Parts: sequence; structure tokens; C-alpha cells
Amino acid sequence: QSALTQPASVSGSPGQSITISCTGTSSDVGSYNLVSWYQQHPGKAPKLMIYEVSKRPSGVSNRFSGSKSGNTASLTISGLQAEDEADYYCCSYAGSSSHVVFGGGTKLTVL
Amino acid sequence: QVQLVQSGAEVKKPGASVKVSCKASGYTFTSYGISWVRQAPGQGLEWMGWISAYNGNTNYAQKLQGRVTMTTDTSTSTAYMELRSLRSDDTAVYYCARSLSDIVGSSWDSWGQGTLVTVSS
Repeated sequence: QSALTQPASVSGSPGQSITISCTGTSSDVGSYNLVSWYQQHPGKAPKLMIYEVSKRPSGVSNRFSGSKSGNTASLTISGLQAEDEADYYCCSYAGSSSHVVFGGGTKLTVL
Repeated sequence: QVQLVQSGAEVKKPGASVKVSCKASGYTFTSYGISWVRQAPGQGLEWMGWISAYNGNTNYAQKLQGRVTMTTDTSTSTAYMELRSLRSDDTAVYYCARSLSDIVGSSWDSWGQGTLVTVSS
């Protein structure tokens, strides 16, 4: 069982927007602005999409955005494209005891 | 450009040890940390630990404490992860990843290609 809770799957049609939630606790997501999101295509290494809750690395499309409210972080993908179909993982710093925790991952299907 | 190149696949017997390397290039090695993340077949990502390439400080996941050691060789810009007393549930792809900054909670912007470690008798 993962420390952060994500929906197992989400889906959307091309051009639509989807949001993936990531629920933690006051010991991780709720306490630190060190939430990140990773995209992983089958057989590939993860790719950083969002860091520090809402910052986008250079080269990542502005269709990807992140936010946080309380103990829940969210990743929103607007204007869905076929290439967005992948697994998405959230991750948070969790303090000096647990250090870093992941969500279980969400499989995004573009219909 | 930043590149992390990992060592090749390994097959180990239960109880053995494995040491995976991660050679960095394209940046100042000692200015960033390195984390190790693993992924069992068909499963999610699991953080294993972090090492500062600046001073060698480490933080390990509680479940791996006592079995894992992370080190760096600054002369060759290489990070290492050794896992001992291997079990079948250690079978996974092991990734190294560079932190955005030299703190344990920092995100990872560059990843190695992954190293498959298979533990089987």
C-alpha cells in the first residue's frame, strides 16, 4: 500500500482536460511544498513533469499544471493528446522519518 | 546535456549482493544529490534513498535500512547503490536520478536508463 493515494486509472478524449488527485497526510503533502509529478511510458524511465507543487521544468508543455489544497495535490492535463497516455506518479517529501513517498500511480488512457 | 548511464542487468541468487553504478556527465557532479528508485515488475515506484554528491550524506528508506549502502566516487562522477541479502521481492528495475538540488526532498530532473536486477535461485 502506497503512502500517497492516487486513482488507479483516469481517461479522457483528445482535447479534453483531466485531473489526477494525490492524497497524503499532514506529514507529507500537507506540510511541504515538495510535491512532484512524473510521467512514465511503458519500458521507459520516469520523466519529471511538475516539481514543487506547480513548477514546470523547461521543455514540459504548459498543458500540464499542478496545484495543492491541504493534504491533496493535483495534476491537471489540458488539451489531452494521444502522447499523454502513460502512467503518472505523484511524490512528496515526508520529513526526516519517511523522507520521500510515492503514490501508487495512475494510468491515463486517452480514448 | 545531463546524462546518467547505469550498469547492465544482473542476475543474483537469494542472499547475494548487487552493486549498481550510475555514471554522470554533463554537469558538476558534486553540486547535486542522487536518489535511487526501484520498480518491481508491473508495480509502482519506490524510493530507496538519497546521497549528497557534495559531502556523501545519505538518507535511506526505513524498510531498506541495514541492507542498502549508497556511495559516490567524485573522481569518476559515479554513484553506486549496493543492496545486500537479496530476496526474490528485490527483483526490480533500479533507477538512479539526479536531484534538482542537493537536498533529500528535491525532485529528480534526470534519470538513468534503469538496471534490471533479477533475484532467482
